[in-house]
Amino acid sequence: KQEVTQIPAALSVPEGENLVLNCSFTDSAIYNLQWFRQDPGKGLTSLLLIQSSQREQTSGRLNASLDKSSGRSTLYIAASQPGDSATYLCAAPSGTYKYIFGTGTRLKVLA
Amino acid sequence: DAGVIQSPRHEVTEMGQEVTLRCKPISGHDYLFWYRQTMMRGLELLIYFNNNVPIDDSGMPEDRFSAKMPNASFSTLKIQPSEPRDSAVYFCASSFFGNTIYFGEGSWLTVV
Repeated sequence: KQEVTQIPAALSVPEGENLVLNCSFTDSAIYNLQWFRQDPGKGLTSLLLIQSSQREQTSGRLNASLDKSSGRSTLYIAASQPGDSATYLCAAPSGTYKYIFGTGTRLKVLA
Repeated sequence: DAGVIQSPRHEVTEMGQEVTLRCKPISGHDYLFWYRQTMMRGLELLIYFNNNVPIDDSGMPEDRFSAKMPNASFSTLKIQPSEPRDSAVYFCASSFFGNTIYFGEGSWLTVV
């Protein structure tokens, strides 16, 4: 059974800092892992999907890495901005297409 | 494409009433997911469909919950009778062949 854990639960940083969000999963037999952003009162927005054959995936200031052997993924945000303030969630599949979500990291970037 | 469309966005109902949540997935997507989000339990998968067929409903909390997908462009999640502990945000999401999942804006349900 897949379990997904995200640490830290909350993070507050000054604008401009580079930061790393962590995601751990228990079942390494995954074919991809997805990172999402959720703004208050909104749905989830896909940020990055990283395939099991990839080690990294980049989109703008975001970079996600995946290490299946250790059951870890990280989301790196470069030069953080106040607009990055949101909750970030990762999701790993349990079996086929049944995605299990972590509880998220609530990020606040201070101007 | 307009994205995943959910209705209603907000609903307040009395305990014991029937609640029906609706979802229109993105055209061409073959997977549809219903999730529930609460502060206590986070985001939980309730049920998912592939090509309109329910594949896994193990997350449906009890018999009061039911979901249908009569065609590729429409799905419903029904709660009958509703209880206060059903108060949550219900998300519908869709994807194509296990790729990126696209979420709707959610249906905010309050049962009083």
